[in-house]
Order: sequence, then C-alpha cells, then structure tokens
Amino acid sequence: NAGVTQTPKFQVLKTGQSMTLQCAQDMNHNSMYWYRQDPGMGLRLIYYSASEGTTDKGEVPNGYNVSRLNKREFSLRLESAAPSQTSVYFCASSVRDRANYGYTFGSGTRLTVV
Amino acid sequence: AQSVTQLGSHVSVSEGALVLLRCNYSSSVPPYLFWYVQYPNQGLQLLLKYTSAATLVKGINGFEAEFKKSETSFHLTKPSAHMSDAAEYFCAVTGGQTGANNLFFGTGTRLTVIP
Repeated sequence: NAGVTQTPKFQVLKTGQSMTLQCAQDMNHNSMYWYRQDPGMGLRLIYYSASEGTTDKGEVPNGYNVSRLNKREFSLRLESAAPSQTSVYFCASSVRDRANYGYTFGSGTRLTVV
Repeated sequence: AQSVTQLGSHVSVSEGALVLLRCNYSSSVPPYLFWYVQYPNQGLQLLLKYTSAATLVKGINGFEAEFKKSETSFHLTKPSAHMSDAAEYFCAVTGGQTGANNLFFGTGTRLTVIP
C-alpha cells in the first residue's frame, strides 16, 4: 500500500522557472492538501481540496495554483518560482473533509529556488 | 479560529528519562487535537489524536497525551525515552464547522535523546 506518493523528491529551479509538483494517493480519500514546511514555522497550508472538483485557498496561497485532476491526484504548480518558495512541500490526504479522521502525509518534495 | 503553541523548539532528554513535550491550543469551538512525528527526511506520521472521547489518549511507540480543557493543553509524554524517539514533533488542532478542513500546526519541537 503506497499511501501518498509525491514526485519529484528533490528539485532545483532558477528564479522565474515554472514547475508542477505531483501528488497521488491510493487510499480512496476524498480530501487532499498541500503544505509547505519552513524552519521554525511548522507546516502552513497552501491549498486544499475537500473533494474531487473543488479547491480552496489555505494560509499561504500566493504564487501557487492547484489542480484536482481526479480523486487520486492533486498537483501544485509554481508559475514563476521565487527564492521565497524554497521549502519542503508536503501533500496529505484524509478520509473526509473533517480532519478528525487524521491526515496521511507523503514523504515530501525539497525545492530550492536559486 | 484555531492555533497551537508548542513551548520549546528543542528538548533534550537522557535515554530512559521522561519525555514531556508541551502544547497549548486556542480554539473557539471544541477542538480535535493531534500529535505528529517527523523523522529526518520523512513525512509526518500520526502519533495520536484527541477527538472528544477519552481525555487520556494513547498512541504509538508508547506515547500518550492528556487533553486538559481547563488548561487548554495537550502535552505529549512518554515514561522512558529511547534513542529511536529522536525526531521532530508537531502538535496540531482543528475542529468545529468552520475550518474543519484545515489542520493548524505548531512550529514543532525537536527531541534529542542523549545516550
């Protein structure tokens, strides 16, 4: 059982380049989330998708876009990368749109923007 | 709105000693509370959760946490630290109808276990 799979694991971008982070889950979860993790700041929610076909902004959505491609897949796009977007990105999923069921996290994508 | 505060960004304990990681929450609605653990270069793994049932919650790897509404706390404890417990620990909160989709995380506490 793979759980939540994120690709790539590592990426280096130049300022202004674009890229898409991929996330897929095989647990038939309805809800999916993108977080970024920065030292001393914990995890901050970028975007989430409560169910297939819906997406909403989290705490720090600026500079990002998302697509819920189907129930399994939720991608995060950086249209024009900036050094401030250097971070570790985590995708997560949950059974329902209520987090009392707990989240399952992927292993992360470490992104460096130079 | 919900938030959590983790007191102490770094905690060091000797192997075999008590582990106590502190978390205080703020919530305008009855909260659901979680502790997650992150080992180096890995994602977050759920340790335990409080969802309004028993106030003392037992989790994996011998950890437990007690929900204290009067103190707005959800501290994580383990009676005897093991070397394998060295990791970063995150407290998180959600709850109620508003923002039920979102987990709000603390800034984390890095636990070091000294042999």
